[in-house]
Amino acid sequence: NAGVTQTPKFQVLKTGQSMTLQCAQDMNHNSMYWYRQDPGMGLRLIYYSASEGTTDKGEVPNGYNVSRLNKREFSLRLESAAPSQTSVYFCASRMGHLVAEAFFGQGTRLTVV
Amino acid sequence: GQQLNQSPQSMFIQEGEDVSMNCTSSSIFNTWLWYKQDPGEGPVLLIALYKAGELTSNGRLTAQFGITRKDSFLNISASIPSDVGIYFCAGQRDDKIIFGKGTRLHILP
Repeated sequence: NAGVTQTPKFQVLKTGQSMTLQCAQDMNHNSMYWYRQDPGMGLRLIYYSASEGTTDKGEVPNGYNVSRLNKREFSLRLESAAPSQTSVYFCASRMGHLVAEAFFGQGTRLTVV
Repeated sequence: GQQLNQSPQSMFIQEGEDVSMNCTSSSIFNTWLWYKQDPGEGPVLLIALYKAGELTSNGRLTAQFGITRKDSFLNISASIPSDVGIYFCAGQRDDKIIFGKGTRLHILP
């Protein structure tokens, strides 16, 4: 049972490059989320998709875009990477947006130089 | 915005000791959750609490949902080396989930 799978696990980008972080869940969950984790800041919500076909901004959306490709997959795109986007990115899923329990992927460690 | 105050930020304890950490907020939550994050991994759900006053155990872990609905604590008894990691609390109200900044647990041999 894979749960939530994120790719890649590590990535180094140059300033200005673009990339897409992929996330897939096999739990038939309706809601999916992207967080970033920075030292001393905890987990901050970037974007979420409460259900297939919808996406909404979270706490720190600037510089990111998302796509809910289907019920299983939710991708995060950095169009023009900046050093401030150096972070660990986590994808999570929940059965529904009003359900508290979240299941997280293993994370993508991104460095922008 | 809403904030959770999680304390302590870090703890250094001897193997075998008991551990206690807590989260407080100025806001009321309907659900409290506790997660553990191992180095290089994503957070994993340990315990979920759904009612004020609820006390729930999961092995050596015990968590309680505060009566005021504004706080929660997590206790770990007889710590072992694999308890090392970051422990996060999270509070949920309606569609919002707020995470604490974590307690980093270090265990000395």
